[in-house]
Amino acid sequence: GAGVSQSPSNKVTEKGKDVELRCDPISGHTALYWYRQSLGQGLEFLIYFQGNSAPDKSGLPSDRFSAERTGGSVSTLTIQRTQQEDSAVYLCASSPQGAGTEAFFGQGTRLTVV
Amino acid sequence: AQTVTQSQPEMSVQEAETVTLSCTYDTSESNYYLFWYKQPPSRQMILVIRQEAYKQQNATENRFSVNFQKAAKSFSLKISDSQLGDTAMYFCAFMSPFTGANSKLTFGKGITLSVRP
Repeated sequence: GAGVSQSPSNKVTEKGKDVELRCDPISGHTALYWYRQSLGQGLEFLIYFQGNSAPDKSGLPSDRFSAERTGGSVSTLTIQRTQQEDSAVYLCASSPQGAGTEAFFGQGTRLTVV
Repeated sequence: AQTVTQSQPEMSVQEAETVTLSCTYDTSESNYYLFWYKQPPSRQMILVIRQEAYKQQNATENRFSVNFQKAAKSFSLKISDSQLGDTAMYFCAFMSPFTGANSKLTFGKGITLSVRP
């Protein structure tokens, strides 16, 4: 595709349920980022994948959060036992290499936990 | 660890005037990359401008320019001839020059810019 694609664009879930958020990066991009943005707030780093390197998971807020990237392409962010404080927009970005290159963002998934 | 600080939460400017958005950062590295991203109400993050720390010349993209002060660790964005479409949230971001897991983008908290007609 022409850009970073995220699905679903909106997700409403009940507290305690698990959710999976998907990110399709731009083809050929080796770096992939996940960020969380609460209403009107800045971007909170969650996790970063770069090629075959071990991912930087330092931003994951709890062990309920996990992410994987299969075949160096599609990434899935999983939130288990969702809580109301997990409600936010989850943004994915990819870049061709990582170091110094522009990150292209998807339009995000708005997650609402009720 | 690198940190990026945007101390102004909101700013407002009259259409056609000039506005400067401030950003400071903290790093022990000598080479790195700095970015300004724009997020309009549509939520789509768009790169505005990019600066490489080893380049002394300030980056410019049409109406957007930066004032990069490496010693002061300051990276401000100047928007000239402000337009209504510039209304958005603006984020300053830092990236180290390394590949691998150290290359993540670190963002400031952002500033909401409103352009008044």
